[in-house]
Amino acid sequence: QVQLVESGGGVVQPGRSLRLSCAASGFSLTRSGMHWVRQAPGEGLLWVAVIWADGSHEDYADSVKGRFTISRDISKNTLYLQMDSLRAEDTAVYFCARDLGGRPFDLWGQGTLVTVSS
Amino acid sequence: DIVMTQSPDSLAVSLGERATLHCKSSQSVLFSSNNRNCMGWYQQKPGQPPKLLIYWASTRESGVPDRFSGSGSGTDFTLTITNLQAEDVAVYFCQQCYRAPWTFGQGTRVEIK
Repeated sequence: QVQLVESGGGVVQPGRSLRLSCAASGFSLTRSGMHWVRQAPGEGLLWVAVIWADGSHEDYADSVKGRFTISRDISKNTLYLQMDSLRAEDTAVYFCARDLGGRPFDLWGQGTLVTVSS
Repeated sequence: DIVMTQSPDSLAVSLGERATLHCKSSQSVLFSSNNRNCMGWYQQKPGQPPKLLIYWASTRESGVPDRFSGSGSGTDFTLTITNLQAEDVAVYFCQQCYRAPWTFGQGTRVEIK
């Protein structure tokens, strides 16, 4: 079954770190670009980060650049988002999503909620 | 960044009627190499992730009912829902995949009148 399953969300204090995981099944991460997209409560969708299918390139939204790192473990077919120096405005549901290249994201995980609060 | 602007913000339509949603990009998202508009439409229901309905502006994703259709090119795009059903109540987002950062419209909420 082709699916994405996120985990790792929770409540964290400002300034602390959290690592999200996205386990892919039914396809290989080496054949797809992978993204993280977030959605603050009651708000719209905001693209966060991408890693290319060949793993050669990453890119980030300005709002997270220097604080978040996207990576993957091919042996586990799992995508990660390391989030450091978290701020209250990072509070959101974080989705991982698949990019088959030159088209919108065709597969999304169910999302994991990150709450940054003291 | 490419700004995607949707209109209207919300829309109330009677069951069985037509809903027309608009999305305008701040610059063209048409790839001249393959004549494809790199944009799509998603449907999102409460507590669920977005679901891709339309890609390349007018290609329906597999399994999506044919009452959903997309049109437009360059900077102006339309999602049309004909014969609106109760299960179509949702927020609809457009997105461009032409250039990073990938950007989304603010969403249009579709309700039943």
